[in-house]
Amino acid sequence: AQSVAQPEDQVNVAEGNPLTVKCTYSVSGNPYLFWYVQYPNRGLQFLLKYITGDNLVKGSYGFEAEFNKSQTSFHLKKPSALVSDSALYFCAVRSRGSQGNLIFGKGTKLSVKP
Amino acid sequence: DAGVIQSPRHEVTEMGQEVTLRCKPISGHDYLFWYRQTMMRGLELLIYFNNNVPIDDSGMPEDRFSAKMPNASFSTLKIQPSEPRDSAVYFCASSLGYSEQYFGPGTRLTVT
Repeated sequence: AQSVAQPEDQVNVAEGNPLTVKCTYSVSGNPYLFWYVQYPNRGLQFLLKYITGDNLVKGSYGFEAEFNKSQTSFHLKKPSALVSDSALYFCAVRSRGSQGNLIFGKGTKLSVKP
Repeated sequence: DAGVIQSPRHEVTEMGQEVTLRCKPISGHDYLFWYRQTMMRGLELLIYFNNNVPIDDSGMPEDRFSAKMPNASFSTLKIQPSEPRDSAVYFCASSLGYSEQYFGPGTRLTVT
């Protein structure tokens, strides 16, 4: 069975510091991996995805994520956090060969303080 | 493109009433998904369609919920009769093939 784990309910970071939001996954076969962000009272917005190729994926708003096959992880990172990055972040996975649905993690609330 | 469009944005209804939520996916997308989000249960997939055909409705909570996609540009999620525990934010999303999903702004449903 496919699953996604976001081990931290909340991550607190000071503005200007690097941030990491963790995600691990379990799928059969090679995965498609995604990160989404949700601002208050908004829908989820696509940030970035890993399909194949370079393990370091760059996305919107300066975010990037690193695919690590041996650790089955896909952590979201940003070198310098902004207060405006404060939001709820979701990791999602789908295994190749499965139909179109994604399996979402429970979400991690990122709080960036000035 | 206008993105995924959902209506209404807010719905307040009394227990026992019928509720219909509407979604217009992004033009050209062949997958459409309905999700529900609550604080207690997080984001739940209710049902999804491929080329207007329901593929998996195992997430639909019970027979009070039904969804249709009569054409490629329109889908509805109906709750009849509604109950207070149905209060949630309902999202529609669409995608092209197995690529990323694009979400609508959601409908906040309150059942009193």
